[in-house]
Amino acid sequence: TQLLEQSPQFLSIQEGENLTVYCNSSSVFSSLQWYRQEPGEGPVLLVTVVTGGEVKKLKRLTFQFGDARKDSSLHITAAQPGDTGLYLCAGRFIIQGAQKLVFGQGTRLTINP
Amino acid sequence: DARVTQTPRHKVTEMGQEVTMRCQPILGHNTVFWYRQTMMQGLELLAYFRNRAPLDDSGMPKDRFSAEMPDATLATLKIQPSEPRDSAVYFCASGFTGTEGEKLFFGSGTQLSVL
Repeated sequence: TQLLEQSPQFLSIQEGENLTVYCNSSSVFSSLQWYRQEPGEGPVLLVTVVTGGEVKKLKRLTFQFGDARKDSSLHITAAQPGDTGLYLCAGRFIIQGAQKLVFGQGTRLTINP
Repeated sequence: DARVTQTPRHKVTEMGQEVTMRCQPILGHNTVFWYRQTMMQGLELLAYFRNRAPLDDSGMPKDRFSAEMPDATLATLKIQPSEPRDSAVYFCASGFTGTEGEKLFFGSGTQLSVL
């Protein structure tokens, strides 16, 4: 059972379209991070959200943290081929008394020119 | 740009052989993580060090895996003996705690194939 569920698992769209990917949990996160991973490389941190309801923007990417801190979304406006990659969310949870960073399975995004 | 360096990038070995993966964390970072990534399981935490002390290795099969930080510039992950099910990409990440919590910086990974 995954603590974090990401959807969709795969998404392929045309350049210029908008898209939203989701990260959900039944547990409350103390914070949540989004990473992008390209083939042959490690994940790269994009953003950290901490406060329920928080919205952060990074150029054409908008990240939102749910009010209850159990979910998050990433919206990309006017997607470009350079946005292609695996988008991972990672939530910080208390598991067995210890803080742990748990990753979702990721959304594999392909932007077609 | 400072970056986490992992060696080797690729390793092909036979079942039963010892495998050692190395990681040079970014200077000044006080945390080091080892993750394993597979298509089926995604990214799984194997071990976690803070100030070179092991804090959590609950994700690691302890009968065959071991993780150490002999000094601040080197972290190692060993598998002995290796098994085909260990085939995966192994990532090292180093980090520090900022105002928004922990920030992790990943290396490029070691692609391990055990035949």
